[in-house]
Amino acid sequence: DTGVSQDPRHKITKRGQNVTFRCDPISEHNRLYWYRQTLGQGPEFLTYFQNEAQLEKSRLLSDRFSAERPKGSFSTLEIQRTEQGDSAMYLCASSPGPAGYTFGSGTRLTVV
Amino acid sequence: DQQVKQNSPSLSVQEGRISILNCDYTNSMFDYFLWYKKYPAEGPTFLISISSIKDKNEDGRFTVFLNKSAKHLSLHIVPSQPGDSAVYFCAASHTGGFKTIFGAGTRLFVKA
Repeated sequence: DTGVSQDPRHKITKRGQNVTFRCDPISEHNRLYWYRQTLGQGPEFLTYFQNEAQLEKSRLLSDRFSAERPKGSFSTLEIQRTEQGDSAMYLCASSPGPAGYTFGSGTRLTVV
Repeated sequence: DQQVKQNSPSLSVQEGRISILNCDYTNSMFDYFLWYKKYPAEGPTFLISISSIKDKNEDGRFTVFLNKSAKHLSLHIVPSQPGDSAVYFCAASHTGGFKTIFGAGTRLFVKA
């Protein structure tokens, strides 16, 4: 399977805990994106990497959120001290150019 | 600030008829527009796109129309099939930008 892979698919955590999600993009894609989707809304941009460089971060990405792409391949998104408002679907996408993303199936986070 | 708007949360169409999904945008810098389809528990899948230098792009049963003066685009599906039932997201980006902006989506129901 050469698609975008995200792990885990589902995560339930208690408020205040830290969580980390992983994304493995399509190997030849140098661009990687994280989006967040809540019920009834479209995907909202969180951050963008070109290779290992994080080139843009949304103001939605508070200090509790951090993303890395250490070797320009897989990426991780960490949320510290989770809050109930963090409950959402976290989508990773990759692309070879500026548009036409391939999305993963997402990680659904539930904070209880 | 919603730069991409899909004002119809849902649409119901009979199998074999035409489905028309609408989208409006506010940012005149956008020059590339996309439609994505999303099934439950999956990430969005790219469907069709159009550059601002065109006013129509066709791919099989799917046609996207762009009216730049009205800042409006639409997706036509004809004939509609039950398997087309999904959430459709309109999205836009601009040359030199890093991110794609998504609308809130329209849920299409195609009745057999």
